[in-house]
Amino acid sequence: GIQVEQSPPDLILQEGANSTLRCNFSDSVNNLQWFHQNPWGQLINLFYIPSGTKQNGRLSATTVATERYSLLYISSSQTTDSGVYFCAVELAGANSKLTFGKGITLSVRP
Amino acid sequence: DAGVTQSPTHLIKTRGQHVTLRCSPISGHKSVSWYQQVLGQGPQFIFQYYEKEERGRGNFPDRFSARQFPNYSSELNVNALLLGDSALYLCASSFRQETQYFGPGTRLLVL
Repeated sequence: GIQVEQSPPDLILQEGANSTLRCNFSDSVNNLQWFHQNPWGQLINLFYIPSGTKQNGRLSATTVATERYSLLYISSSQTTDSGVYFCAVELAGANSKLTFGKGITLSVRP
Repeated sequence: DAGVTQSPTHLIKTRGQHVTLRCSPISGHKSVSWYQQVLGQGPQFIFQYYEKEERGRGNFPDRFSARQFPNYSSELNVNALLLGDSALYLCASSFRQETQYFGPGTRLLVL
């Protein structure tokens, strides 16, 4: 099946710093989503981004589908950005089956 | 509009019992998917239903089953519970095959 690799596995930042989270995937995809999982387990949608670039406030994401990777940028990080960030992809023809990476644990210190 | 809702929020069962988890999708969404997330891992796909029909099944044993009702809500059933079934069970809904929105999950502990 499709492989999804996220890096780095863990990231510690000082408040106000910028960061880049990476997601590599092994096959062509129909769908790519970035999620933030809060301490209570809720998966919060950040971006639906099978290709191209999107921005939402301090967050932006870029997916280069031809090279099979996506990047999530967090600028001016805040302590509330802490948590686990997941990249999830849907293989072409996979009928909404998302395959998740192992996640990136981000800790933002005040 | 209400998001995806799941019940119960927490559940404790013993080995060998069965459990039923429930999910209500966002209004207008006809697709519901179920995922299992064990501690320290990303969610794993269990089932997807669209218009009351099973459209996808992950690599889970037959002890896991699901169904979708005419109002598009869904149930996940797990029989003969094992300790390894302890996990966060997540439900997601989507309109056609686009952005999936997740509910808050049900935390199942099997003793």
